[in-house]
Amino acid sequence: AQTVTQSQPEMSVQEAETVTLSCTYDTSESDYYLFWYKQPPSRQMILVIRQEAYKQQNATENRFSVNFQKAAKSFSLKISDSQLGDAAMYFCAYRSGFGNEKLTFGTGTRLTIIP
Amino acid sequence: EAQVTQNPRYLITVTGKKLTVTCSQNMNHEYMSWYRQDPGLGLRQIYYSMNVEVTDKGDVPEGYKVSRKEKRNFPLILESPSPNQTSLYFCASRPTRGSPLHFGNGTRLTVT
Repeated sequence: AQTVTQSQPEMSVQEAETVTLSCTYDTSESDYYLFWYKQPPSRQMILVIRQEAYKQQNATENRFSVNFQKAAKSFSLKISDSQLGDAAMYFCAYRSGFGNEKLTFGTGTRLTIIP
Repeated sequence: EAQVTQNPRYLITVTGKKLTVTCSQNMNHEYMSWYRQDPGLGLRQIYYSMNVEVTDKGDVPEGYKVSRKEKRNFPLILESPSPNQTSLYFCASRPTRGSPLHFGNGTRLTVT
């Protein structure tokens, strides 16, 4: 079974600075997808960024980028120019390219932005 | 507006009183799924449905039922709720294989 590990329960960053959230996963599959979701206090689950395992290029969405290290099974999220609105719980998630496409989530990292 | 709608957003009930949490999507998605979120555990899949009349268990199906009689609706049924089912529940759907899930706004359930 696949597992996703987020080893940082809490992180904080000064506004306008850069922060990196860590995520590692374990799988024996070759076809899969990785995601970062943001959950603000409103508790909505908002997709931040997505990475297909077959793509070597790291995904980028505006201030958000990932460092995808396939051999190391690592998928970290970098947030540049942090803003107050980035404060949220961040979840890393794995999805197989086979079967029911279940999302396997990590336990989350709570990010605080310091004004 | 494309969305996944869950109702109710908050629900407090007592042990053993049957309840249903509704989920509806207006995007004609084939795939739908239910997750529960608990502190320190992330989100875990309860049930999923690949299409109408096709449902299957996820990782934590005990104590739950689902049905998929029509494409847009995927209700979650708790026949006899217990306190360990107190949780935050999310319904989600996706259009095509490989595409990201769209989540509803969540239902906070408390069972006393």
